[in-house]
Amino acid sequence: AQRVTQPEKLLSVFKGAPVELKCNYSYSGSPELFWYVQYSRQRLQLLLRHISRESIKGFTADLNKGETSFHLKKPFAQEEDSAMYYCALSAGAGSYQLTFGKGTKLSVIP
Amino acid sequence: DAGVTQSPTHLIKTRGQQVTLRCSPKSGHDTVSWYQQALGQGPQFIFQYYEEEERQRGNFPDRFSGHQFPNYSSELNVNALLLGDSALYLCASSLVWTGGSLTQYFGPGTRLTVL
Repeated sequence: AQRVTQPEKLLSVFKGAPVELKCNYSYSGSPELFWYVQYSRQRLQLLLRHISRESIKGFTADLNKGETSFHLKKPFAQEEDSAMYYCALSAGAGSYQLTFGKGTKLSVIP
Repeated sequence: DAGVTQSPTHLIKTRGQQVTLRCSPKSGHDTVSWYQQALGQGPQFIFQYYEEEERQRGNFPDRFSGHQFPNYSSELNVNALLLGDSALYLCASSLVWTGGSLTQYFGPGTRLTVL
């Protein structure tokens, strides 16, 4: 069975400071990892996925298979980054479900 | 494109009743998944529908059932409601998974309260 752990329920940083939201996973195969974000009063939306290796809104995430981690990083936090962030895992080929962590609320202090 | 739409927005039921939630997928999508999100938790997978059949199911009892229509829209039915069924129910749509990525687009959710 797969599991996603986000150890921090709440993370507060000052504007302009670096941000790192932690995500660890448990899965023996080759997973696909995602970060979803939910801004206040908006729906859950995809932020980025590891296979794209892209940077969205200044955020990046690298899949570390040795440490089974997929931490989300941004060098300089902005106030508009304040939101709920969820890490999610798909077990890959033949799996149709996403397994989510419990989420981390990011609060950027002006 | 309005994206994924869900109805109703809110719903209040009593224990033992039955409820039906509805979802219309994003234009061009053929697959619908349902998730339950309890307060303070991440979404939990209930099941996915493709070609009008349940393709995969999470760890939910048979009280939870669904349906997909030829136009790809979907319903989630919950029978014999329990207090613990109170949650936000999310619908997500996607294109059938094809060797690339399971990228799902979520609706705004239906908030179900069971009294």
